Amino acid sequence: LAKTTQPISMDSYEGQEVNITCSHNNIATNDYITWYQQFPSQGPRFIIQGYKTKVTNEVASLFIPADRKSSTLSLPRVSLSDTAVYYCLALPYNFNKFYFGSGTKLNVKP
Amino acid sequence: EAQVTQNPRYLITVTGKKLTVTCSQNMNHEYMSWYRQDPGLGLRQIYYSMNVEVTDKGDVPEGYKVSRKEKRNFPLILESPSPNQTSLYFCASSLRQGADEAFFGQGTRLTVV
Repeated sequence: LAKTTQPISMDSYEGQEVNITCSHNNIATNDYITWYQQFPSQGPRFIIQGYKTKVTNEVASLFIPADRKSSTLSLPRVSLSDTAVYYCLALPYNFNKFYFGSGTKLNVKP
Repeated sequence: EAQVTQNPRYLITVTGKKLTVTCSQNMNHEYMSWYRQDPGLGLRQIYYSMNVEVTDKGDVPEGYKVSRKEKRNFPLILESPSPNQTSLYFCASSLRQGADEAFFGQGTRLTVV
């Protein structure tokens, strides 16, 4: 199981683009990278998933370099409501056990 | 609306009194799982189920039981709750595998005194 490392916390201001980087040096060939968002006292919410290069949806973009040893979640023009904990997971597609880690606490300021 | 529903949302109980937290999903998902979340420890998986009658232990299964008699329901059972099981619990479901997009319930805040 690939161990992921993320910053414990980040600060940003409304309207800025936020990039959260996740390191997964021992990622395996069949691992997918998935990001979840969690607001206080709520369950995590799926944001985006990718295998390589770039994936974009209506919420975020995920950049994965060719060596796949890291990934970057990009949140365009954050607002106060993006204040949350963001978790990076690197798991094989057929893996059944989850490990969420501590995540990155993003604090968006006005 | 696609959702995972947990009940109750809040529960205060006494040590040793058996309790069940229910979890139900309406998305016909095969995979369901339970987590507990404690300050500084993140989300830890308790049990998971690949399908009806198929369950397996996660990282912290001690003191918990589960059953999967129907596809939509995955109750979490604490036969003899203890104070160290005071936590925030989440149920989740996904289509097939753990790496599929997971949908989480609203959470159950359990206090054992």
